[in-house]
Amino acid sequence: QKEVEQNSGPLSVPEGAIASLNCTYSDRVSQSFFWYRQYSGKSPELIMSIYSNGDKEDGRFTAQLNKASQYVSLLIRDSQPSDSATYLCAVNPGGAGSYQLTFGKGTKLSVIP
Amino acid sequence: DAGITQSPRHKVTETGTPVTLRCHQTENHRYMYWYRQDPGHGLRLIHYSYGVKDTDKGEVSDGYSVSRSKTEDFLLTLESATSSQTSVYFCAISESDRGEQFFGPGTRLTVL
Repeated sequence: QKEVEQNSGPLSVPEGAIASLNCTYSDRVSQSFFWYRQYSGKSPELIMSIYSNGDKEDGRFTAQLNKASQYVSLLIRDSQPSDSATYLCAVNPGGAGSYQLTFGKGTKLSVIP
Repeated sequence: DAGITQSPRHKVTETGTPVTLRCHQTENHRYMYWYRQDPGHGLRLIHYSYGVKDTDKGEVSDGYSVSRSKTEDFLLTLESATSSQTSVYFCAISESDRGEQFFGPGTRLTVL
């Protein structure tokens, strides 16, 4: 069974610090990787997509992918209290007809003012 | 925001009654999904659709059925609601062949 593992947290960081969120996945042939942010009582919001090894930066967010280690991470620089949310890692295995995502259970991030 | 609406947003029902949740999109995306989200389990796929009248089961499909007669609408039916189906239900849509999905606002369902 395809699995996506995340540390449930809570992860607490002071305002202005770098928050580092990690995710591992079991399906070695996975091709697409996503990070979603979910505020309490709200729906998941796509914040980052990454498809190839290395880093991808978007504003204060950096996604890092290492397919050999089956590991994807999300860095949030200059963390703000508004970043406090649960972050979901999602993996798409790729290939014909593979439009499903497998989600991790999420890491709860708390940014302390 | 992707044009996705879900109705109703909240519903309380009794065990044994049928319930239908609706997902409506204005993005003309091909793929639509129904998930449930429960504490300790995360998001789990119930059913998905890869075109009009084309649907398939997900991880937790028992007790649920779906229909898609138009591109824009995807219906989820709980044939005979049980307390274990108390959950938050999310619809999602996708067009990209790389799998990006965009979520609707959710429906909170309580089965008493």
